[in-house]
Amino acid sequence: GENVEQHPSTLSVQEGDSAVIKCTYSDSASNYFPWYKQELGKRPQLIIDIRSNVGEKKDQRIAVTLNKTAKHFSLHITETQPEDSAVYFCAASTHPGGKLIFGQGTELSVKP
Amino acid sequence: DAMVIQNPRYQVTQFGKPVTLSCSQTLNHNVMYWYQQKSSQAPKLLFHYYDKDFNNEADTPDNFQSRRPNTSFCFLDIRSPGLGDAAMYLCATRGQGGNQPQHFGDGTRLSIL
Repeated sequence: GENVEQHPSTLSVQEGDSAVIKCTYSDSASNYFPWYKQELGKRPQLIIDIRSNVGEKKDQRIAVTLNKTAKHFSLHITETQPEDSAVYFCAASTHPGGKLIFGQGTELSVKP
Repeated sequence: DAMVIQNPRYQVTQFGKPVTLSCSQTLNHNVMYWYQQKSSQAPKLLFHYYDKDFNNEADTPDNFQSRRPNTSFCFLDIRSPGLGDAAMYLCATRGQGGNQPQHFGDGTRLSIL
């Protein structure tokens, strides 16, 4: 079945540095890739998503890149701030409303 | 304002005692999902409704059932909770159309005594 691998499981950066989280997926039919941020005890919040018809999408300090040939996509956070500290989940789906297959999560810690 | 509302936020029940978790939405979305999330793990889909059509995941235990009496409300029933069912339960919704993302509620944290 569909599988999404996410790395690293933990990531610690200094405030102001960039953070990169990578995911690979197995189902070549996947065409929708959201990223969720989950703070401790809170709900997952959609922070950015990308569809397979584009290779990159940016929203202020957050960007996502997609390589369909290699079946991987990445989250890039620039100028990290302490409030970026959270668990980040990638996911893949064959369409935006379809079943989400989540990666294992990355715990990001931004140190002041 | 919260658009996907889960009640209660914290629920404690006894081993084997049935418990019901509720989810309501003000978005008029036709798809509703229930996820189970254990500590340090990704959300795991239990089942979802597409309108009134119920879709169960193959590995969802029979102990878990769901009801959707109308568009706005969806319930998760755990018939005989075991210690392994202690988790955060997340409800999510999605609107109609091919480009609608899922929106999560704040979850109900279930503890089993």
